[in-house]
Amino acid sequence: NAGVMQNPRHLVRRRGQEARLRCSPMKGHSHVYWYRQLPEEGLKFMVYLQKENIIDESGMPKERFSAEFPKEGPSILRIQQVVRGDSAAYFCASSPRQANEQFFGPGTRLTVL
Amino acid sequence: DQQVKQNSPSLSVQEGRISILNCDYTNSMFDYFLWYKKYPAEGPTFLISISSIKDKNEDGRFTVFLNKSAKHLSLHIVPSQPGDSAVYFCAASAFTLMGADGLTFGKGTHLIIQP
Repeated sequence: NAGVMQNPRHLVRRRGQEARLRCSPMKGHSHVYWYRQLPEEGLKFMVYLQKENIIDESGMPKERFSAEFPKEGPSILRIQQVVRGDSAAYFCASSPRQANEQFFGPGTRLTVL
Repeated sequence: DQQVKQNSPSLSVQEGRISILNCDYTNSMFDYFLWYKKYPAEGPTFLISISSIKDKNEDGRFTVFLNKSAKHLSLHIVPSQPGDSAVYFCAASAFTLMGADGLTFGKGTHLIIQP
């Protein structure tokens, strides 16, 4: 019974490049959440998706960031034209339908040079 | 504007004693509260949760207390063990018709269990 999978675990990008972060939820989970953690901070909610639908993207920066959760395949968080301030740990979580507990993946640590 | 506050960045407790981690919230729409434990370079691990209709939930060594009138919750760990050394995050959510909302996290408390 695999947990939430995220890849890559570490990602290094130069300013202006694109970053793609992938998340496979736990089996049977149809709700996916993305969070960002800056150094010395708590996790900040970014976006909540169900299959093929964005439910709540109130925590997403308005520009350069997008997320999807297609019918088949993992959820993708995409950051275009990365800047140094995007350097952070990005965590994905999943939950079963109508449940409050969210189960987190190991995170992707993005470093922008 | 922090809606979930953990005012102690760190806490040091002797092994075998009780660890008490505190959390305050400001948003009265929150109706579900969770505690997560996090080791460096890993994702948060769910520990225990409590619904706003309860004032206590217990699971083994872990007990969470909720005081709705004070908008305060606490996590008790007894007895504390060396493996409990980690950062503990308090989180809150407001359940909506579309399902559970995104969680709002505090900044965490680094618990250090001393031998």
